[in-house]
Amino acid sequence: GQQVMQIPQYQHVQEGEDFTTYCNSSTTLSNIQWYKQRPGGHPVFLIQLVKSGEVKKQKRLTFQFGEAKKNSSLHITATQTTDVGTYFCAGPSGGSNYKLTFGKGTLLTVNP
Amino acid sequence: DVKVTQSSRYLVKRTGEKVFLECVQDMDHENMFWYRQDPGLGLRLIYFSYDVKMKEKGDIPEGYSVSREKKERFSLILESASTNQTSMYLCASSLPQGSYEQYFGPGTRLTVT
Repeated sequence: GQQVMQIPQYQHVQEGEDFTTYCNSSTTLSNIQWYKQRPGGHPVFLIQLVKSGEVKKQKRLTFQFGEAKKNSSLHITATQTTDVGTYFCAGPSGGSNYKLTFGKGTLLTVNP
Repeated sequence: DVKVTQSSRYLVKRTGEKVFLECVQDMDHENMFWYRQDPGLGLRLIYFSYDVKMKEKGDIPEGYSVSREKKERFSLILESASTNQTSMYLCASSLPQGSYEQYFGPGTRLTVT
């Protein structure tokens, strides 16, 4: 079945440093979604990317979808303590757009 | 404000007990999902439902069943709880079109002793 791999598993940074997490799929994706889960919280939808090569920004967060639509990245510029949490990517699976396969996530910790 | 609620935040059950986890959404979403989340394993789909009384197995359905009698409610049932079902259980819902973004409930941390 489809696999969505995410690296790194953990990342610890000093506040102000940049952070990137990468997501790779074993199959071409029609779209990819990103979620953030704060410690003790539940996943919250951040964004969806649909087009090949698409780049979207949300303040300090930059999301990219690869040209082949098999990989994606999330980059955070100048991390803040509020960025702490686990970031998940997710892609459609099983031939439907609403059933998602999630990556295992990247846990980001930020040292103030 | 969209809302997905789960019946319990924490639950402790004994091995062999039948366990019901309930999820309710107020967004009139057709799709509902049950995941379990374990450290290092991420979110794994147990079952999902795309309409009332309709269900499909996810990636790890063994030991679980589900029920969806009403559109807003999706129940996860552990027929005979076992210690390896100790986990965080997350419910989610989504529309069947558009961005398909999933809205998650707060989760139920189930401990089976």
